[in-house]
Amino acid sequence: ETGVTQTPRHLVMGMTNKKSLKCEQHLGHNAMYWYKQSAKKPLELMFVYNFKEQTENNSVPSRFSPECPNSSHLFLHLHTLQPEDSALYLCASSQVGAYNSPLHFGNGTRLTVT
Amino acid sequence: GDSVTQMEGPVTLSEEAFLTINCTYTATGYPSLFWYVQYPGEGLQLLLKATKADDKGSNKGFEATYRKETTSFHLEKGSVQVSDSAVYFCALTENQGGKLIFGQGTELSVKP
Repeated sequence: ETGVTQTPRHLVMGMTNKKSLKCEQHLGHNAMYWYKQSAKKPLELMFVYNFKEQTENNSVPSRFSPECPNSSHLFLHLHTLQPEDSALYLCASSQVGAYNSPLHFGNGTRLTVT
Repeated sequence: GDSVTQMEGPVTLSEEAFLTINCTYTATGYPSLFWYVQYPGEGLQLLLKATKADDKGSNKGFEATYRKETTSFHLEKGSVQVSDSAVYFCALTENQGGKLIFGQGTELSVKP
């Protein structure tokens, strides 16, 4: 398997549930990212991990909790979400420090909070 | 801070029409510039890129030239197809291989 894989593709959860999104990259990259894509809004960078260390958190509410156990896997743990958190959550990876290395994206998890 | 501004969509064209999607940027240094495309139900795919002034990125008939003097990176295609219908995102990075800052996206719809 190649590229960036995200699971599940679709998720419906209530506001009191706890769920996790998973991302796996098979590209040998050293950085991973979570982006949020909401309707009619630009992509919002949520978290950045370089070599498993979180290097950026863009004022994301604590109900979103990322985890990066190794450079190939990234999780986003969700709890007590709000309906406005419904969006497409995109994971990406890249090789930081490499010239001409773009971000590679997964197909996203479509999250609906009811 | 750095930012990217794209023309508002949606853009609706007939097949074989000429396409231009405008993109301008603000950056403190010398960014690399990208166009990504998102087809329905999918993630973003890299379409083309340019890393320095006057570079031209091209792929699948699409082109964009890095214009430092006008801080622009407009996307063009001479003859669009129905299969080009998608959302197009302009983006920049100031760190090699690092995070991207995106424009708001421009939806393109091509009619037969």
